[in-house]
Amino acid sequence: QSALTQPASVSGSPGQSITISCTGTSSDVGGYNLVSWYQQHPGKAPKLIIFEVNKRPSGISTRFSGSKSGNTASLTISGLQDEDEADYYCCSYAGTSSYVFGGGTQLTVL
Amino acid sequence: QVQVVESGGDVVQPGGSLRLSCAGSGFTFSNFGLHWVRQAPAKGLEWVAVISNDGNIKYFTDSVKGRFTSSRDNSKNTLYLQMNSLRVEDTALYYCAREAAGYDFDIWGQGTMVTVSS
Repeated sequence: QSALTQPASVSGSPGQSITISCTGTSSDVGGYNLVSWYQQHPGKAPKLIIFEVNKRPSGISTRFSGSKSGNTASLTISGLQDEDEADYYCCSYAGTSSYVFGGGTQLTVL
Repeated sequence: QVQVVESGGDVVQPGGSLRLSCAGSGFTFSNFGLHWVRQAPAKGLEWVAVISNDGNIKYFTDSVKGRFTSSRDNSKNTLYLQMNSLRVEDTALYYCAREAAGYDFDIWGQGTMVTVSS
């Protein structure tokens, strides 16, 4: 099971919007509407911010949104804030109770 | 407070064994599937294993099949990961994560560090 493909890094200025892509295959991202996104600050555990492609857990800002088209999922963060600077990981269900993560994207807020 | 807490990480030689534990609290432990996810130093997340809420269904990523096993004791609210024939490439921070209804991981522990080195 190969890791999903994410850009290594993205950056944006406060107030701007950024989008992180996550490309897989028809066996994972494209095959299920079961993509989730996690935010990880340095030295901290990952935190769920998007599940089932575009749903937000309770307490997650509406500035975070998710979408999917074919084999590619995307995370958009609008109105960038300093505290959004972190690593972001996508994850997809890949069948037979297995999962695959993306390689991670480092977001820098300029 | 809903939480999971991992323990058992250590430094072990290649070929050695180690058992990790994950204790859950603040929720009905027996209602949830649980996963192990690892993160090698300065690397990304890697899904390792899942065990169903009743412990009867288990799946592992290919790189650990035949070497790692998982079990749980719902009476003790504890999940276990038995790691045998450890390799240098198993060195990582091992997280326990609760599986939410949407095939995602909604509760994570702080992780326990496993270092495989001679």
